[in-house]
Amino acid sequence: EAGVVQSPRYKIIEKKQPVAFWCNPISGHNTLYWYRQNLGQGPELLIRYENEEAVDDSQLPKDRFSAERLKGVDSTLKIQPAELGDSAVYLCASNLQGTETQYFGPGTRLLVL
Amino acid sequence: GENVEQHPSTLSVQEGDSAVIKCTYSDSASNYFPWYKQELGKGPQLIIDIRSNVGEKKDQRIAVTLNKTAKHFSLHITETQPEDSAVYFCAARNQAGTALIFGKGTTLSVSS
Repeated sequence: EAGVVQSPRYKIIEKKQPVAFWCNPISGHNTLYWYRQNLGQGPELLIRYENEEAVDDSQLPKDRFSAERLKGVDSTLKIQPAELGDSAVYLCASNLQGTETQYFGPGTRLLVL
Repeated sequence: GENVEQHPSTLSVQEGDSAVIKCTYSDSASNYFPWYKQELGKGPQLIIDIRSNVGEKKDQRIAVTLNKTAKHFSLHITETQPEDSAVYFCAARNQAGTALIFGKGTTLSVSS
């Protein structure tokens, strides 16, 4: 069974540019998470989806970050415009609703210059 | 909200020795505590978890203990091998049961 797929794996952009990350969760997993992991830190939740509904986006900086999961399967996280402090690894995770184990993708490593 | 503290930040052991990583949490309502292993360039991978109705859980060379009263939980790895070298994260599920709050990680180095 395929795990959580993320693309791109790496992205280098200049500040003020837009960037988007894509995630395809494990088949059948209706809960999807986006985390940000700063260097030397643990992952921090940005947003959680139950199917296509964002049920917890309290930690998402809404002035520049947006996310969507239109059909309740894959998801896109966008930053516009990017700032230097956005350099981090963006992780996507999923789990079957009602279960506890979250499965993580490999992440997208973003560098903002 | 929930806060998770993890110690030590780095740990170096000789192959065959045991390694122990400790975490504390602040929210007494937390009831699920997973441990993740993250290798370079990869996402975190669950290695073991424990729920608040259990005090200890073991899976081969890995064990986790939970002290609800003290709000402590620990990861124990016995007979360490070089392939155990990675960053280990503890986490606690928040009170609402909606998110995992992670510690800052422990970099474990096992030398042969």
